[in-house]
Amino acid sequence: AQKITQTQPGMFVQEKEAVTLDCTYDTSDPSYGLFWYKQPSSGEMIFLIYQGSYDQQNATEGRYSLNFQKARKSANLVISASQLGDSAMYFCAMREGGSSGGGADGLTFGKGTHLIIQP
Amino acid sequence: NAGVTQTPKFRVLKTGQSMTLLCAQDMNHEYMYWYRQDPGMGLRLIHYSVGEGTTAKGEVPDGYNVSRLKKQNFLLGLESAAPSQTSVYFCASSYSILSSGDYEQYFGPGTRLTVT
Repeated sequence: AQKITQTQPGMFVQEKEAVTLDCTYDTSDPSYGLFWYKQPSSGEMIFLIYQGSYDQQNATEGRYSLNFQKARKSANLVISASQLGDSAMYFCAMREGGSSGGGADGLTFGKGTHLIIQP
Repeated sequence: NAGVTQTPKFRVLKTGQSMTLLCAQDMNHEYMYWYRQDPGMGLRLIHYSVGEGTTAKGEVPDGYNVSRLKKQNFLLGLESAAPSQTSVYFCASSYSILSSGDYEQYFGPGTRLTVT
């Protein structure tokens, strides 16, 4: 079974609209961390936001917020007021174990969502 | 601070040839990782290291070897390259949670490898 599922292979959104990118995860470990990375066409991996499994509040970083629904095992990324520069691949990832995902194990990635912002 | 650097950026190999990819980080991170990214897929973990002199297998370790002789360097070796190893390879590093509340994995720019 896939540990990280991103069900939207591609999305088209009008500039300035809010965007929600879906991510569901599967783990039996009570301690884990959830991450979102952005990969523009240039190829680098850019860290956006992190949510620990024990965090009570949803994480926020500027225009990015993570809608964490633990019972549903869902960790959707919300981008407010989208910009043309937000066009990229977006990957949801999880790290299990350690302290809320702070263990040494690597990240397990989803297949990504290709987001295109239209003017 | 250069962050995480990877050498080379591009490489073309013939089947059966060998090569080593070098990853270097200047952030004094304990943990280092090698991933591969294939078209239409997310990154998959090949090997990782929790400290100098230690390595461990990830999800897709077959056909690769690694070494971490110095804390700042993590080498990925292909002994006998195969077309199935055509991919983009990313190195990453992070702090140990014991020493920092920084959970982020910092990625290098990637190496595009083609095996013909």
